[in-house]
Amino acid sequence: SQTIHQWPATLVQPVGSPLSLECTVEGTSNPNLYWYRQAAGRGLQLLFYSVGIGQISSEVPQNLSASRPQDRQFILSSKKLLLSDSGFYLCAWNIVGLGLQETQYFGPGTRLLVL
Amino acid sequence: AQSVTQPDIHITVSEGASLELRCNYSYGATPYLFWYVQSPGQGLQLLLKYFSGDTLVQGIKGFEAEFKRSQSSFNLRKPSVHWSDAAEYFCAVGPSNDYKLSFGAGTTVTVRA
Repeated sequence: SQTIHQWPATLVQPVGSPLSLECTVEGTSNPNLYWYRQAAGRGLQLLFYSVGIGQISSEVPQNLSASRPQDRQFILSSKKLLLSDSGFYLCAWNIVGLGLQETQYFGPGTRLLVL
Repeated sequence: AQSVTQPDIHITVSEGASLELRCNYSYGATPYLFWYVQSPGQGLQLLLKYFSGDTLVQGIKGFEAEFKRSQSSFNLRKPSVHWSDAAEYFCAVGPSNDYKLSFGAGTTVTVRA
């Protein structure tokens, strides 16, 4: 069966510090991968998605970047964090075209607090 | 462009009472529709999904949803809620040409004893 991992679970960082959040998927190959942010009291905002290694699409201009160095690894980064980067970051995956009907499956999330 | 509206930001329901969460969507073709649930501090868990066929879809935890094309709705229901159903619920529609989902803003459900 497929599983998705995110770490760290919680992170407190000072403004201006770098960021690296990691997401890995097990039990599947060539998934689509997604990064979402959920700010307090708000819905999900799609930040990035990737349909393959090295292929990253950005949804909104921001202080963050994403990379996909391996098939099942998706990394969210920042060189200098802003206060507004605080939130709950969710990684998701799906497989398209194999009868799984585009359902996205989510990881447990990383809570980021920038002080 | 696809979009989802969840008109109710917050709903309070008594334990044992019925629950209905509203979801309206905008999509140019036959949509794929989803309901997810998120407990505090957790990721999203898929409750149910609709792709085609029977418009009444059964999901986990005793939830069901009905697709009504004429009303562009996909409302979620549960006949009798349990305290553990207190959570935030998200409706989503897809796919776009890029296989992205569009999520509603969510409905927070509070269950009172």
